Amino acid sequence: EVRLVESGGGLVQRGGSLRLSCVGSGLTFSNYWMNWVRQAPGKGLEWLSKISQGSSVVHYADSVKGRFTISRDNARNSLFLQMDSLRDEDTATYYCLADFDYWGQGTLVAVSS
Amino acid sequence: EIVLTQSPGTLSVSPGERATLSCRASQSVSSNLLAWYQQKPGQAPRLLIYGVRSRATGTPDRFSGSGSGTDFTLTISRLEPEDFAVYYCHHYGSPPLTFGQGSKLDIK
Repeated sequence: EVRLVESGGGLVQRGGSLRLSCVGSGLTFSNYWMNWVRQAPGKGLEWLSKISQGSSVVHYADSVKGRFTISRDNARNSLFLQMDSLRDEDTATYYCLADFDYWGQGTLVAVSS
Repeated sequence: EIVLTQSPGTLSVSPGERATLSCRASQSVSSNLLAWYQQKPGQAPRLLIYGVRSRATGTPDRFSGSGSGTDFTLTISRLEPEDFAVYYCHHYGSPPLTFGQGSKLDIK
């Protein structure tokens, strides 16, 4: 069974930083492009970033470019999202997504003033 | 950026009936890299359809995807009680990747 488990969410002050993690099991993690997707409360899905299997290629949505950094460690089957300069509108549940296939259960990030 | 527009926003249907959800892209979706997801309250999205028409493992055959270019459809042939949820289309080709705004399937 494929499992992706996110962690690292929580309450953070506006302008602060947070690092999210996603650990995969039951899949050959290093074979997958990996993504971060978020969902604000009561809203739809927003793609944020993706990283290639070997970390050589990364892409970001304009809404997070320059503030968020995606990375991965295939030896630990792990994906990361470093989030800096957090804004109120970054409040959301953050999901990791393997290719288009497998989703984690999400971790909630709340930015407070 | 490919903008995906889903319609209707909400569809009220009775169990046993057929539901048709639409996803229109602002430009052609390359290599048919379009997926559909189902999301229930408090849960992560779940993959139903990828590559426009291929069912994911575990997707019942009452779900079917069709379309090409800029117009795509998810059809649920006979609605079961567990199908009432929000559905999203997703383009996973060249970045930026995008999602439609979602279509909610309500029990009539």
